[in-house]
Amino acid sequence: NAGVMQNPRHLVRRRGQEARLRCSPMKGHSHVYWYRQLPEEGLKFMVYLQKENIIDESGMPKERFSAEFPKEGPSILRIQQVVRGDSAAYFCASSPPLQGRGAEAFFGQGTRLTVV
Amino acid sequence: AQSVTQLDSQVPVFEEAPVELRCNYSSSVSVYLFWYVQYPNQGLQLLLKYLSGSTLVKGINGFEAEFNKSQTSFHLRKPSVHISDTAEYFCAVMGGADGLTFGKGTHLIIQP
Repeated sequence: NAGVMQNPRHLVRRRGQEARLRCSPMKGHSHVYWYRQLPEEGLKFMVYLQKENIIDESGMPKERFSAEFPKEGPSILRIQQVVRGDSAAYFCASSPPLQGRGAEAFFGQGTRLTVV
Repeated sequence: AQSVTQLDSQVPVFEEAPVELRCNYSSSVSVYLFWYVQYPNQGLQLLLKYLSGSTLVKGINGFEAEFNKSQTSFHLRKPSVHISDTAEYFCAVMGGADGLTFGKGTHLIIQP
């Protein structure tokens, strides 16, 4: 059973381009979380998704950022018209259906986005 | 809403000495508590978790944590650290309808 797969591991974009980050959860996991990590700031929650539903997007910037988790395929975090301040490591985590919310979240290796 | 406070951004410790990394949380509902470790350029790995039952939880790599409801704390401890424990440690809370909320992390620095 492969772990949470994120790709690409490293992504370089020029200002104004679009960045697309992919996350394939572990098999059987229907819940996905996206976090952003900036140096010295720890992990910032962005969005929590279940299949075809956004459960909580309170951490997502109102503009340029969107996320989806379709019925088939990976979860996608999309950043339009990137700016230098978007440079960060973006981590995805997945967990199984929460019959009891103590389900462990498994993390991917992250995508390091650099905007030049 | 829930939140997590990790009181120390950095903790330097000599090798083979004991260490405690502090974590306090706030939530209006019952919570589950987690400690994760992040090695350089890696994702996060679960060290241990508290769901219910015994308040002393043992995890991997010799770490343990104690849940204290009255003090809303979940401090992480290890009796003797090794150089390989150098990493960033994150405390996290999950409760109610909220997802997983992390603290800002504590950088554990092991000095030879």
